[in-house]
Amino acid sequence: DAKTTQPTSMDCAEGRAANLPCNHSTISGNEYVYWYRQIHSQGPQYIIHGLKNNETNEMASLIITEDRKSSTLILPHATLRDTAVYYCIVRGNTDKLIFGTGTRLQVFP
Amino acid sequence: KAGVTQTPRYLIKTRGQQVTLSCSPISGHRSVSWYQQTPGQGLQFLFEYFSETQRNKGNFPGRFSGRQFSNSRSEMNVSTLELGDSALYLCASSLIETGETQYFGPGTRLLVL
Repeated sequence: DAKTTQPTSMDCAEGRAANLPCNHSTISGNEYVYWYRQIHSQGPQYIIHGLKNNETNEMASLIITEDRKSSTLILPHATLRDTAVYYCIVRGNTDKLIFGTGTRLQVFP
Repeated sequence: KAGVTQTPRYLIKTRGQQVTLSCSPISGHRSVSWYQQTPGQGLQFLFEYFSETQRNKGNFPGRFSGRQFSNSRSEMNVSTLELGDSALYLCASSLIETGETQYFGPGTRLLVL
């Protein structure tokens, strides 16, 4: 599976959009981009995933660049409960998720 | 629909003992994966089971083993516990096909003294 690169930490004001970048320059054509988050040592929570097109669900939006070498997770209106570690994972046809170190997002009042 | 459940949630053992952790997947899910999370190594894949067969395995010693039952529930066992086995053990389930989205349980926190 391709390796991803994420910033170690980010801050965001409550109510503002949080934009979390991820670089996956070696991604293959059949590999998906997945996002999970983990709140204070709870189990990781699935957020969203995509292959080529931008995706949106009730939690977030995922923007994937046309060359698929990077993506951005957008939390449109961050709340204090969105404070967590966010993991960007590139996944092929396997059930083995390879987690990096993720981005620690701190939402402040 | 109920999520993935793991029991027990917390466990304290001493070195040399063995431990068995249990995972019940989301109803209808047939694939179960296990992960270990430590401060030093982060989240690492242990193994994955589907239809009672181990389909994938991570880079862990043979002291770590697992199995899956016909109802898709899974257990993992760690024998001859070491201090370094202290970790959060996470279970994730997914539908039938490889590559389906995995949903995680709350984890079992194991402390080895």
